[in-house]
Amino acid sequence: QLQLQESGPGLVKPSETLSLTCTVSGGSVSSTGYYWAWIRQPPGKGLEWIGNIYSGGSTYFNPSLKSRVTMFVDTSKNQFSLNLGSVTAADTAVYYCARRLAVAPGVPNWFGPWGQGTLVTVSS
Amino acid sequence: AIQMTQSPSSLSASVGDRVTITCRASQDIRNVLGWYQQKPGKAPKVLIYAASSLQVGVPSRFSGSGSGTDFTLTISSLQPEDFATYYCLQDYTYPLAFGQGTKVEIK
Repeated sequence: QLQLQESGPGLVKPSETLSLTCTVSGGSVSSTGYYWAWIRQPPGKGLEWIGNIYSGGSTYFNPSLKSRVTMFVDTSKNQFSLNLGSVTAADTAVYYCARRLAVAPGVPNWFGPWGQGTLVTVSS
Repeated sequence: AIQMTQSPSSLSASVGDRVTITCRASQDIRNVLGWYQQKPGKAPKVLIYAASSLQVGVPSRFSGSGSGTDFTLTISSLQPEDFATYYCLQDYTYPLAFGQGTKVEIK
């Protein structure tokens, strides 16, 4: 059974870079046919899609974050990662990693499974 | 970017009630919409994809309908474990966008 687990610092200073890793178990991040995604949720608020990455490296990012986001896949560690630069208090959120099918936009799709989420607080 | 508007933002209901949540897209997204359930402190879980297809393992009291810009999630008979927050998600085009959520509370 595929499982995802986020890890990374729980506290990041303003203007620094938030770095998170999602470790995949029970399956391979190199599997064809899947995107690996990051989604976040500020405390008490709704969900925001951050972006997707394919094992080959192709990416799609939310334009609202695109200038600050990078994503990587490390097939040797069966992990994928998120870097979000120049963070502010508005980036405080629970960050989730998830899988979705690698199909073209417009083809029915879903996120699942999800990691349990990790809270990142931006504060000095 | 496509905007997703959910209503209501919250509702109170009793066990056994029929509950309906709506989601409106700012432009035509055909049937490329999903519904997710989130319980406090937990990750969301997909209930419905392609507007009306029930994900494996999801109880049949959940159903989805709609196409184009207007969509509905219905819970036919609310159960205690259904008290949660529900989100729609448009999968039609990037950037993907969630609705703002509907919190279903106990009356």
